[in-house]
Amino acid sequence: KAGVTQTPRYLIKTRGQQVTLSCSPISGHRSVSWYQQTPGQGLQFLFEYFSETQRNKGNFPGRFSGRQFSNSRSEMNVSTLELGDSALYLCASSYDGQGATYEQYFGPGTRLTVT
Amino acid sequence: AQSVTQLGSHVSVSEGALVLLRCNYSSSVPPYLFWYVQYPNQGLQLLLKYTSAATLVKGINGFEAEFKKSETSFHLTKPSAHMSDAAEYFCAVISNAGNMLTFGGGTRLMVKP
Repeated sequence: KAGVTQTPRYLIKTRGQQVTLSCSPISGHRSVSWYQQTPGQGLQFLFEYFSETQRNKGNFPGRFSGRQFSNSRSEMNVSTLELGDSALYLCASSYDGQGATYEQYFGPGTRLTVT
Repeated sequence: AQSVTQLGSHVSVSEGALVLLRCNYSSSVPPYLFWYVQYPNQGLQLLLKYTSAATLVKGINGFEAEFKKSETSFHLTKPSAHMSDAAEYFCAVISNAGNMLTFGGGTRLMVKP
């Protein structure tokens, strides 16, 4: 099976702009989670989508949003970018059906730099 | 609330030596525990997982971890380090409250020739 894919791999944006990141999960996985990784804060959970619904949300401001499509692909959006939003954004997918053991499989990430 | 503590942000071993990376967790319910590895400029790769089936878990690349409930620990070991093991390792916990992984701060493993 193909792994989790994320596009784009690298982005450079200016403060105040908005950005959209895309994630395609492993085939058959309906749960998609997003994480932010920074040197100072480590890995932090942003939100999780399952069957096109946000099921869990981390402690991030409303500028961070996401959605999931009927084919389980997911996008996350960050509006009004701040310098502190510079990070590696990781998407992970998991199988959430009968017998699930909750392991998540990660994509390569999108490196966002805000200048 | 659940949390994960990884003792030692940096660990250095010689090639061929034992690797021991420490992880302690807290969880109000029986946890699912995971170790991930991250190589530079890459995402996270699942090394192994504990899901209550067996306390000693074997993973990829010769790594294993032992779940000790009395010590709330899930330490990662490998008998003999290779240069290719140099990377950052993350311990993570998930509760049945949803698909939200809580990560430790990570341990950077350096392997000396």
